[in-house]
This record gives sequence, C-alpha cells and structure tokens, in this order.
Amino acid sequence: DAKTTQPTSMDCAEGRAANLPCNHSTISGNEYVYWYRQIHSQGPQYIIHGLKNNETNEMASLIITEDRKSSTLILPHATLRDTAVYYCIVRVGGAGGTSYGKLTFGQGTILTVHP
Amino acid sequence: DAGVTQSPTHLIKTRGQHVTLRCSPISGHKSVSWYQQVLGQGPQFIFQYYEKEERGRGNFPDRFSARQFPNYSSELNVNALLLGDSALYLCASSSYGRDEAFFGQGTRLTVV
Repeated sequence: DAKTTQPTSMDCAEGRAANLPCNHSTISGNEYVYWYRQIHSQGPQYIIHGLKNNETNEMASLIITEDRKSSTLILPHATLRDTAVYYCIVRVGGAGGTSYGKLTFGQGTILTVHP
Repeated sequence: DAGVTQSPTHLIKTRGQHVTLRCSPISGHKSVSWYQQVLGQGPQFIFQYYEKEERGRGNFPDRFSARQFPNYSSELNVNALLLGDSALYLCASSSYGRDEAFFGQGTRLTVV
C-alpha cells in the first residue's frame, strides 16, 4: 500500500471550510484514496473514498489531483464536532482487492475546530 | 441498526495473563478485522477474517491469535501479556465488495 503524508495538525474556525491535504506520490493505478476520522476515544469513522474522480457525500468532498499524487478532503462547514484526527489511507479497493480488509493508518492530521 | 459491538469496554490484566476480546460485526457483514491502537498512534492492523478463514495478518507476535465463528462474530486472544500490550483494541466489520469498514468503540486494555 502506498505511503501517505499529512500535516500533523490544522486549525479551522467553526462554520468555515476545512481543507485537509494528503500527499500520496507513489500511488498505484489500482489504489484508492480513503479518508477516515477518529473522534477522541471512539473508533475510526469512514468518511469518503475515491479513485480519480472527485467525490462528494453528505459528510465531505474529496478532490484528487489529475496525476493522483495528492488529494484534499473538504469539510464544507466545519463544526466543533468535526474536531478529530483525520487519516488519509491509500490501498487497493473493491471486491478484487487482495488487501481489502487491511487499512494502514499513519499519524493522521489533528483537526481542531474552534469557535 | 446495531453497529459493531465489542466487549468488554475496559479491562485490566496483569503481566503474563491472557485475555480474550470479543466482537460482533454488523448484521450481514462477513469480514472482521482487528487493530491495535497505542496511545498517540494510528491503529495498527493485526488480523482479518472472512468467512471464518484468516485472510490477513499484521506484524504481531504469535502471542496474538484470533478466530471467527459461524455467526461471523470474532475473538482476539492475547497470551503472556506484556506491559506494551496496553492499548485500545478495535474491531471493524465490512461487507465483501464494499470499501468502507465500520469500527466498534474498542476495548481499552491495560496491562499492569
């Protein structure tokens, strides 16, 4: 699985967009980008994933560069409850992935949303 | 719908003892994975089971073992506990062919 690089920490004002970057310069063609977050003392929570097209769901948007070497998770209107550690993970996805069960977590980005 | 449930939520054990942690996946999920999260670090993959067979193993010693039952629930066993085994143990379930994993709240194990 490709390695990812994320900033250690970021701050965001409540109500503003939070843009969390992730570098994955060694990503392979069949590897997806996944984002999970972990609120203090809870298990990680799936947010979104994508292969090469931009994705949006009720929680966030995922923007992947054309060369797929980096991506940005966007929380459009951050709230205090979005304060968490955000993990960017790259791995083979889908039913054909031999490592579909394994997630390799790095250190993640500590996002602090302040009033 | 019930999410992934883990038991117990907290546990204190003495060095050298063994421990069994339990996980019930989301109904219909046949894949269960176990992770260890030491304070200040991201979760580390220990095992994955699918259809009662081990499908993946992380870099953990043989003191760690797991199994999956016919109802797809799972147990993680750790023998000869060390102080360094103190961690949050997380269980995740997923449905084959789907990419998202759903995590339980974890079991906080303290070895003294």
